[in-house]
Amino acid sequence: TQLLEQSPQFLSIQEGENLTVYCNSSSVFSSLQWYRQEPGEGPVLLVTVVTGGEVKKLKRLTFQFGDARKDSSLHITAAQPGDTGLYLCAAINTGGFKTIFGAGTRLFVKA
Amino acid sequence: SAVISQKPSRDICQRGTSLTIQCQVDSQVTMMFWYRQQPGQSLTLIATANQGSEATYESGFVIDKFPISRPNLTFSTLTVSNMSPEDSSIYLCSVVILGARTGEQYFGPGTRLTVT
Repeated sequence: TQLLEQSPQFLSIQEGENLTVYCNSSSVFSSLQWYRQEPGEGPVLLVTVVTGGEVKKLKRLTFQFGDARKDSSLHITAAQPGDTGLYLCAAINTGGFKTIFGAGTRLFVKA
Repeated sequence: SAVISQKPSRDICQRGTSLTIQCQVDSQVTMMFWYRQQPGQSLTLIATANQGSEATYESGFVIDKFPISRPNLTFSTLTVSNMSPEDSSIYLCSVVILGARTGEQYFGPGTRLTVT
């Protein structure tokens, strides 16, 4: 069974701090997605990474896909209260069609 | 992207009754899925809704308990049958839109179900 392990599970920080969320697996993936979910809403797609070593930036968010396409990280610079939410990584294995989700990282940014 | 609506947004139901949740998409989609999510936790896939045929269920989920319909490309329903308090959860539909990259899904806002 393929698994995506996310860490940390929970993070509470002050506004302005930086943080990194990790998503690791022993499996190789053809692509990997990051989603953010706010309370009362469905997950919203932030980014898809496809190429090993790829780095994508979305304002203060930086996403990286590992060289071997087994892991990914999400770095947030100068976190703001609006970044509060549940961050989920997800992936579909090479040749497959089913998406697996990590357990999620709950981020709380205090003003 | 796609705009996905779900109805109802929330409901409180009695034990033993059934609730049907609707999911409507405004774009052409290739695949539709139904997930269950405990508040603050990750997503568990219930089934893939197939147009014009029986849904494909994941381990632990059966058609008698969670019948699913998908009469056309942009609409699907999930029924939670003979509910018990253990069915209290958030139910989400998601879609893969035509032309999207592999793995990208768009989610509805969810239906928060409480069974008393």
